[in-house]
Amino acid sequence: EVQVLESGGGLVQPGGSLRLSCAASGFIFSSYAMSWVRQTPGKGLEWVSGISGDGDSTYYADSVKGRFTISRDNSKNTLYLQMNSLRVEDTAVYYCAKDPGDHPSWFDDWGQGTLVTVSS
Amino acid sequence: DIVMTQSPDSLAVSLGERATINCQSSQSVFYSSNNKNYLAWYQQKPGQPPKLLIYWASIRESGVPERFSGSGFGTDFTLTISGLQAEDVAVYYCQQYYSSWTFGQGTKVEIK
Repeated sequence: EVQVLESGGGLVQPGGSLRLSCAASGFIFSSYAMSWVRQTPGKGLEWVSGISGDGDSTYYADSVKGRFTISRDNSKNTLYLQMNSLRVEDTAVYYCAKDPGDHPSWFDDWGQGTLVTVSS
Repeated sequence: DIVMTQSPDSLAVSLGERATINCQSSQSVFYSSNNKNYLAWYQQKPGQPPKLLIYWASIRESGVPERFSGSGFGTDFTLTISGLQAEDVAVYYCQQYYSSWTFGQGTKVEIK
């Protein structure tokens, strides 16, 4: 059974940093692209970043480019999202989502999400 | 970016009746080289993450009931729930993966 479990969310001040992790199991992690998708009450679902199975290709939404960095450790079956220069508008539930292939497309398995709150 | 617009924002349907949700993209998500529409549909129930229902506009994900069907081409797509069940109360989202990845704003389905 595919499982993805996010961690690392919390309360952070504007301008601060946070690193999210996503532990995966039940599939050959290195064979699949992974993405981060966030959800806010006001803006719905927003794709944030994606990474290919081997980690060589990364993709970012314009809203986070230059501030967030996606990475993965295939030896630990773990996906990461390093978030720097956080803004109030980054407040959201962040989901880790698995892609069905090696390149981000649709998302066939999702974690339960981790809440990030950016506030002073 | 491709903007996805869903209609209506919400709808109430009687049990056993048909629910129809529309999704329009600001540009075509059809790729002629493989004859595929780069469009997916998700269901999200309260307190849960989204669940994949449909991909390639009309292919039902394994385990998804047959009452869920997707159709459309180019810029106009439809998710149909044929015979609404109580457990189908949820918010439904479309998503394009033709150019970057963007979601519609969601359509809330309730029981009338």
